Amino acid sequence: GENVEQHPSTLSVQEGDSAVIKCTYSDSASNYFPWYKQELGKRPQLIIDIRSNVGEKKDQRIAVTLNKTAKHFSLHITETQPEDSAVYFCAASIGSGYALNFGKGTSLLVTP
Amino acid sequence: DAMVIQNPRYQVTQFGKPVTLSCSQTLNHNVMYWYQQKSSQAPKLLFHYYDKDFNNEADTPDNFQSRRPNTSFCFLDIRSPGLGDAAMYLCATSRDLGQNEQFFGPGTRLTVL
Repeated sequence: GENVEQHPSTLSVQEGDSAVIKCTYSDSASNYFPWYKQELGKRPQLIIDIRSNVGEKKDQRIAVTLNKTAKHFSLHITETQPEDSAVYFCAASIGSGYALNFGKGTSLLVTP
Repeated sequence: DAMVIQNPRYQVTQFGKPVTLSCSQTLNHNVMYWYQQKSSQAPKLLFHYYDKDFNNEADTPDNFQSRRPNTSFCFLDIRSPGLGDAAMYLCATSRDLGQNEQFFGPGTRLTVL
């Protein structure tokens, strides 16, 4: 399938700082981009998603931006808290369908 | 109120011994997925069902099979597990076609001895 590249693989920030995770995709037909959070030993859970007809979406401290021309999208977490520590996965739909290609994940550590 | 349930949570099998992993859902979702997730890697889609229609990813080994006897249950069969098949296997569901949230189960961690 098409690739989704995610950077960085690890990210350490201090509590209260912002964290940014970036992803690029190669399938120009992709039109759905979710972000999942996976805490240690737990299932991935959707935290925010964006569709291709929208450039930005925000939900409290979490925002996602999408640049379809450049084929990249980013997750922004503001005012980070220790409970934000987890692995975050970006994903892109395979074409315009409902199956997903995932990035390799970013391990975020928020230190008090 | 678990929505996507996977059994067992941990499975140990021997090299070459067939194993079946189970997934059930209480959401009445039409689509069910199986992903393989190896350590520090992204979940990799193996196959998915839309209702009874089976969709296999091109690079999924023939060693992996799936069954969906009804809406609620989906099984992953590994006919002859190899050491490289040791991984976390995640089941997920989504309501329908189109871009909908995928709800993941807790996963089954498979060990191959």
